[in-house]
Amino acid sequence: SQTIHQWPATLVQPVGSPLSLECTVEGTSNPNLYWYRQAAGRGLQLLFYSVGIGQISSEVPQNLSASRPQDRQFILSSKKLLLSDSGFYLCAWSPPNKYPYEQYFGPGTRLTVT
Amino acid sequence: KQEVTQIPAALSVPEGENLVLNCSFTDSAIYNLQWFRQDPGKGLTSLLLIQSSQREQTSGRLNASLDKSSGRSTLYIAASQPGDSATYLCASVYSGNTPLVFGKGTRLSVIA
Repeated sequence: SQTIHQWPATLVQPVGSPLSLECTVEGTSNPNLYWYRQAAGRGLQLLFYSVGIGQISSEVPQNLSASRPQDRQFILSSKKLLLSDSGFYLCAWSPPNKYPYEQYFGPGTRLTVT
Repeated sequence: KQEVTQIPAALSVPEGENLVLNCSFTDSAIYNLQWFRQDPGKGLTSLLLIQSSQREQTSGRLNASLDKSSGRSTLYIAASQPGDSATYLCASVYSGNTPLVFGKGTRLSVIA
């Protein structure tokens, strides 16, 4: 069976510090991978998605970047955090090219920028 | 622009009631529609997925319907329980390998 992991579970970082959040998927190959952010009182916002190693699509201009160094690893980074980067970050995966493209979510990382 | 809307934003019902959560989408060319549950501070748990060729899916006390022509989906919860209290999100995908488009969710409280 497939499993998706995210870490850390919670993180408190000062403004201007760097960020690295990691997501890994087990039990599948070449998954589609996604990063979403959920800010307080707002809906889920897609940040990045990837259909393969080194292939990253960005949905909104922002202070964040993503990388996919390995098939089942997806990393969200920032060089300098802003207060507005606070939120709940969710990683998700879906089987590649497999209808009906159901997505599965990780447990999330709560980020507080102080 | 593809948008998903959920009404109401919040709902409070007494235990035992049957209830319906609504989801509407602007583009009928969807591949599927997923309903998720989110408990406070937790990730999303997939409840039901309806493929574009289907009209409904059932899991236990949950029944989700899909009407592409009207751009609507409903999640029916029978005999609600306090443990059903959570935020329910609907989301649709419009082509393969693309991200979900989410509604903002309905926060449900079931009062014992």
